[in-house]
Amino acid sequence: GAGVSQTPSNKVTEKGKYVELRCDPISGHTALYWYRQSLGQGPEFLIYFQGTGAADDSGLPNDRFFAVRPEGSVSTLKIQRTERGDSAVYLCASSLYSSGGRGELFFGEGSRLTVL
Amino acid sequence: GNSVTQMEGPVTLSEEAFLTINCTYTATGYPSLFWYVQYPGEGLQLLLKATKADDKGSNKGFEATYRKETTSFHLEKGSVQVSDSAVYFCALSPSGAGSYQLTFGKGTKLSVIP
Repeated sequence: GAGVSQTPSNKVTEKGKYVELRCDPISGHTALYWYRQSLGQGPEFLIYFQGTGAADDSGLPNDRFFAVRPEGSVSTLKIQRTERGDSAVYLCASSLYSSGGRGELFFGEGSRLTVL
Repeated sequence: GNSVTQMEGPVTLSEEAFLTINCTYTATGYPSLFWYVQYPGEGLQLLLKATKADDKGSNKGFEATYRKETTSFHLEKGSVQVSDSAVYFCALSPSGAGSYQLTFGKGTKLSVIP
């Protein structure tokens, strides 16, 4: 596709369940980012991939959160034992290379996660 | 740490009114500064950017000037249109290591009425 694609667009789950959120970046983009946007807040950095490896996962809130990008394209954000506080919009972005301050990230529309 | 503060919304303006959305930042060194926009039902899009002091970013009639002395990057437009209704986010990218990591403000919702 032409843009960053995220699925599902909406996910409602119960506390304690496991959730996977998928991101399909723009073809050829080597850098991929996950951000989380809570209600009334700006996006907050979670993790950055350069190729297949997580170059910086310092934004992941705790060890219930994990992300993979096994073939350097599609990425999956995995959340174990979900809590109500995990409810947010999870944004994925990609760029042709590490943006290095140029900030030209291309964002998907996000996956809205609601934990009941 | 790095932070971005932008004026709280929502902001409601009549068509053709002048727009200013204030943004100030805290960061060491010389960050790059950005405005992103989110139209209803769409993902965040880069609106404009400035990478060094006194640079002016501009796009679609919007402008913002990187003011190092006041650590500000205010967004302006001379005559807004209904189609400008969106949420606007100010953001920074630190210089040096970690420059890929954007720090965003909370966003300002703009509604333009005919």
